[in-house]
Amino acid sequence: DAKTTQPNSMESNEEEPVHLPCNHSTISGTDYIHWYRQLPSQGPEYVIHGLTSNVNNRMASLAIAEDRKSSTLILHRATLRDAAVYYCILRDVTNDYKLSFGAGTTVTVRA
Amino acid sequence: DTGVSQNPRHKITKRGQNVTFRCDPISEHNRLYWYRQTLGQGPEFLTYFQNEAQLEKSRLLSDRFSAERPKGSFSTLEIQRTEQGDSAMYLCASSSHLRAGVLSGANVLTFGAGSRLTVL
Repeated sequence: DAKTTQPNSMESNEEEPVHLPCNHSTISGTDYIHWYRQLPSQGPEYVIHGLTSNVNNRMASLAIAEDRKSSTLILHRATLRDAAVYYCILRDVTNDYKLSFGAGTTVTVRA
Repeated sequence: DTGVSQNPRHKITKRGQNVTFRCDPISEHNRLYWYRQTLGQGPEFLTYFQNEAQLEKSRLLSDRFSAERPKGSFSTLEIQRTEQGDSAMYLCASSSHLRAGVLSGANVLTFGAGSRLTVL
């Protein structure tokens, strides 16, 4: 499985943006970049995914480097409910049954 | 549809006992997955079904573990002769897989809240 590298933790203040980096230098052409998050005592939930172009949805934005070796998940205005572990995952579209989670980034939001 | 449902949410058992977890996926989803998560770690893939067929099993799934999805709807995960090392959160997820030959980068998984197992 292609690997991703994320910081262990990040802190943010409420109402401020949060930029979560992810390195994936061994990404292949058939890998999509997926982000999931896991709130305390819950299962993971889908946040966003992309291939080459930047993506926006109601939850977040995903900025993908031109060489695709890194990406950044952007939470535009953090709320206390965004405190969670965020996972950056590479998903091979030809073998898409498995999500390989790392340890993720624990995001703490200060009121 | 209320999402992916898992039962029981918590199970405490003694070493050597058998336990069974149930997962009810989103009704229109044809794929169902089981993951295991230990404290401080991300979830680890155990197995998945497409309809009623179990298509892949991780090496983490020892002979004491068995999963079924008899009619392509709900699934059960049974652990026989539990060991303390089996203590973990067992997560179920489901997704809608497109027809064969169609590749999509989406295939978003919807997870349940998990079943926490404690083996004493």
